[in-house]
Amino acid sequence: AQSVTQLGSHVSVSEGALVLLRCNYSSSVPPYLFWYVQYPNQGLQLLLKYTTGATLVKGINGFEAEFKKSETSFHLTKPSAHMSDAAEYFCAVTKAAGNKLTFGGGTRVLVKP
Amino acid sequence: DAGVIQSPRHEVTEMGQEVTLRCKPISGHNSLFWYRQTMMRGLELLIYFNNNVPIDDSGMPEDRFSAKMPNASFSTLKIQPSEPRDSAVYFCASTYNTEAFFGQGTRLTVV
Repeated sequence: AQSVTQLGSHVSVSEGALVLLRCNYSSSVPPYLFWYVQYPNQGLQLLLKYTTGATLVKGINGFEAEFKKSETSFHLTKPSAHMSDAAEYFCAVTKAAGNKLTFGGGTRVLVKP
Repeated sequence: DAGVIQSPRHEVTEMGQEVTLRCKPISGHNSLFWYRQTMMRGLELLIYFNNNVPIDDSGMPEDRFSAKMPNASFSTLKIQPSEPRDSAVYFCASTYNTEAFFGQGTRLTVV
């Protein structure tokens, strides 16, 4: 079985400050890992993904995440928050292409001016 | 491509009525997923299909829920009879390889 834990259901950051969202996973096989963003009244949009290869993955809107196998983590970062980053972020794991995605509980990001 | 298309976007129905949610996946995608999102339970996988065949329906809450995928370009999720606790946003997603693309969702309210 696979599972995802996102630490902190709400995060508040100041505009221009570092954004750090934590994600830990459990998987019986090498995982594929994802971060999705959800804006109000919208579906989920892929920010970035790790499948194989380089463990530091860059995504859209200046986000990046690093796969650390030893820590079973896939934390999401952005050096400087923008007001437009206010949204809910979901970490997800799957064990194979075409297999089900298991999501974490989500982290809602509030950006203060 | 227009992306994953779900209809309707909003549905308000009375308890006991039948509700049918529809999804058109992205052309060429071979996996389709139905998720439900609520404040209390977050994102829950209800059922998914590979090449139109149901693979895992263990997330379907009870017999009132059923899903079909008669062909590669269409899927339905039916609730009969509906109950107030079914109120949620229902998302359809399709994948080719590893990346899942989500529809805009159907917001269902059962009164």
